Amino acid sequence: GQNIDQPTEMTATEGAIVQINCTYQTSGFNGLFWYQQHAGEAPTFLSYNVLDGLEEKGRFSSFLSRSKGYSYLLLKELQMKDSASYLCAVMDSNYQLIWGAGTKLIIKP
Amino acid sequence: GAVVSQHPSWVICKSGTSVKIECRSLDFQATTMFWYRQFPKQSLMLMATSNEGSKATYEQGVEKDKFLINHASLTLSTLTVTSAHPEDSSFYICSASGTSGDWNEQFFGPGTRLTVL
Repeated sequence: GQNIDQPTEMTATEGAIVQINCTYQTSGFNGLFWYQQHAGEAPTFLSYNVLDGLEEKGRFSSFLSRSKGYSYLLLKELQMKDSASYLCAVMDSNYQLIWGAGTKLIIKP
Repeated sequence: GAVVSQHPSWVICKSGTSVKIECRSLDFQATTMFWYRQFPKQSLMLMATSNEGSKATYEQGVEKDKFLINHASLTLSTLTVTSAHPEDSSFYICSASGTSGDWNEQFFGPGTRLTVL
């Protein structure tokens, strides 16, 4: 079966760095997405990786290793507004997104 | 960027009534639209995938006669929850994808919160 694993919850301090990991097993691979979702709102797109390596976008970076079925989202200079759930999703061979359960990130002052 | 709207943003209805939710891609043509349901503190659950002009493909366990999907144009899809019951209360989110370069990205609507009394 298809499976996406990510931690349920993480806590970090304002101004610090946090890494959210995601491992996956899917039928085919057409890219991995990270989305941010604040409570009661729809997800918003953060990043997309289809090749191995690191993609940097401001305070957020995303890394992919296809051979290991592994990705991480790195958030730097954490701000209180970064408190949200972070969803990892993999697009399979049918171009369907398979979603992880999400990681709730709690930022403390 | 691509914008997807949903209407209504929230709805409260009595048990047994039907509710229609609209999803529109405002500035692009969506080849595919997706309907998700999200219960509190859980991840998105894909309900169905629809392509314009064809029947929707429903995920296992989703009743197609209860959740009617119409994708009449490249910018509009509707989800009708028929004979709604309290257990249908949830956050319903649509997303739309066109093509951008070599990959498809899903753009999400703001969601519709349905409460069935």
